[in-house]
Amino acid sequence: SQTIHQWPATLVQPVGSPLSLECTVEGTSNPNLYWYRQAAGRGLQLLFYSVGIGQISSEVPQNLSASRPQDRQFILSSKKLLLSDSGFYLCAWSGPGAGEAFFGQGTRLTVV
Amino acid sequence: AQSVTQLDSQVPVFEEAPVELRCNYSSSVSVYLFWYVQYPNQGLQLLLKYLSGSTLVKGINGFEAEFNKSQTSFHLRKPSVHISDTAEYFCAVRTMYSGGGADGLTFGKGTHLIIQP
Repeated sequence: SQTIHQWPATLVQPVGSPLSLECTVEGTSNPNLYWYRQAAGRGLQLLFYSVGIGQISSEVPQNLSASRPQDRQFILSSKKLLLSDSGFYLCAWSGPGAGEAFFGQGTRLTVV
Repeated sequence: AQSVTQLDSQVPVFEEAPVELRCNYSSSVSVYLFWYVQYPNQGLQLLLKYLSGSTLVKGINGFEAEFNKSQTSFHLRKPSVHISDTAEYFCAVRTMYSGGGADGLTFGKGTHLIIQP
């Protein structure tokens, strides 16, 4: 069966420090991969979307970037964190076609 | 582009009472529809989905939803709620493309279901 792993679960980082969040999927090949951010009371915002290795679509301009170095690995990065980057970050994957997305357990990022 | 509106940010309900969480969407093309549940500090878990066929969809934990194309709605219902149903509920849509592909999910802002004893 397919599983998705996302780490770390919580992270406290100072303003101006770099960020790297990792997500891996097992049990499937060529998944669509997503990074979402959830801010308090604001629902989920799609940040990045990838249909294949090296293919990244950015949905909103921001201080973050994403990379997909391997088929089932998706990384969210920042060179210098801002206070406004705080939030709950969720990685997800979906198969081809109409299927639902499956979510990781999320990373709570607090920028101080 | 599509959008999702969840009209209620918070819904308090007494235990064993029925509940309906409202969801309306806007899209210029056909969509797939989903309801997810999120417990505190956890990821999202799929409750149910509508892809095609019967407009009444049954999901896990006793929830069901009805797709109404004319009203562009996909309201979630449960006839009798339990304390354990306290969580955040998200409605989401995914656009169908004529080539058979689909885009990322677009979520509503969520509805916090509060079950009162």
